[in-house]
Amino acid sequence: QVQLRESGPGLLKPSQTLSLTCTVSGGSISGGLYYWNWIRQHPGKGLEWLGYIYHSGTTFDSGTTYYNPSLQSRLTISADTSKKQFSLKVASVTAADTAVYYCARVGVSGGRYTGFDYWGQGNVVTVSS
Amino acid sequence: AIQLTQSPSSLSVSVGDRVTITCRASQGISGTLAWYQQRPGIPPKLLIYDASTLAIGVPSRFSGSGSGTEFTLTISSLQPEDFATYYCQQFYNYPFDFGPGTKVDNK
Repeated sequence: QVQLRESGPGLLKPSQTLSLTCTVSGGSISGGLYYWNWIRQHPGKGLEWLGYIYHSGTTFDSGTTYYNPSLQSRLTISADTSKKQFSLKVASVTAADTAVYYCARVGVSGGRYTGFDYWGQGNVVTVSS
Repeated sequence: AIQLTQSPSSLSVSVGDRVTITCRASQGISGTLAWYQQRPGIPPKLLIYDASTLAIGVPSRFSGSGSGTEFTLTISSLQPEDFATYYCQQFYNYPFDFGPGTKVDNK
């Protein structure tokens, strides 16, 4: 059974960099079958997709990333396939980055995405001075 | 970016009712739409992808339809565990945005 689990700080001060890690168990994050995503949810609000990383599994593949253009300048997603972990960094946080941060998997079949089918439990992040 | 709107934003229903939620896209997205259910305090659960394909383990009372710009999620007979917020989400273009949600609560 695939499981995802986020880890990281719960409280940051404005201007700091948020670093979160998602650890995947029950499956590999390389191999080209899945995209590994970060999604956040502001308190009492809807869902915002932040970006993904994708590994084809070939020897020299360092991973392909795509970010939400509205936040792209502050986001970095990376992965350590040997540890089955992928990470999110958000630079220069403000109170507007206060949210629950989820990692999630999306599969691809026949060239089509098959939905975010596995999610972590969420990491609550508060930005406050 | 593609904008998704949902209607209604909320509805009050009773157990056993038939529930229909509509999601409209600002441009055609073929059938690349997913639906999620979220109960308070837990992550969203995938219900449907490709507009009408039921995700593994999802009860058959849930169904999805539509293509292009208008999509529908239907719950044929609402069960107590279905009181939740429902989100649509598109995979046609980046960013993979979600709709604003429809809250289904108890009348």
